[in-house]
Amino acid sequence: QQQVKQSPQSLIVQKGGISIINCAYENTAFDYFPWYQQFPGKGPALLIAIRPDVSEKKEGRFTISFNKSAKQFSLHIMDSQPGDSATYFCAARGTSGTYKYIFGTGTRLKVLA
Amino acid sequence: DAMVIQNPRYQVTQFGKPVTLSCSQTLNHNVMYWYQQKSSQAPKLLFHYYDKDFNNEADTPDNFQSRRPNTSFCFLDIRSPGLGDAAMYLCATSRDLLQGGQYFGPGTRLTVT
Repeated sequence: QQQVKQSPQSLIVQKGGISIINCAYENTAFDYFPWYQQFPGKGPALLIAIRPDVSEKKEGRFTISFNKSAKQFSLHIMDSQPGDSATYFCAARGTSGTYKYIFGTGTRLKVLA
Repeated sequence: DAMVIQNPRYQVTQFGKPVTLSCSQTLNHNVMYWYQQKSSQAPKLLFHYYDKDFNNEADTPDNFQSRRPNTSFCFLDIRSPGLGDAAMYLCATSRDLLQGGQYFGPGTRLTVT
């Protein structure tokens, strides 16, 4: 069973601080690693994504770092704002069969004003 | 704006009474997915359509069915809802199985009484 392990389960950060969420996967049969942001009562929104041939991708305050050899990837939110308070899911897309997405268990981020 | 639309946003049904949830998309994407998300959990894939080809997840109960009459619309039918089927149901689309990310709708919150 392919798995994606996400940590921490919850995170509290001061406004202006850096939020870091980590994910690790257990096999190499993934080719695309998106991060989703979900507010209560809403569907997940695609935030940023990376492919395994790239070690880092930055979009505004959001950065993905990818370590292929360690099978780990992380989301960094710079200058965290109260509006960033949400649940974040990492995911990985399989490269065979139905190419399904495997989701992490989610991280609930709270940014204090 | 191109988007994924789900109706209704909130649905209350009685135990055992069939219910249909609707999803439409203006993105002209080939793939449409249905996920079930319970409180504080990651989305769980139920099935997806790649064009007209239906792919059911092995652990999706027979109680859940889906229809995709055309590119734009996809329906989730729950034939005999149980209390355990109360959840948020998310529709998502992607351009192709291996291109781009998934775009989620706002979800339908299903309550079973």
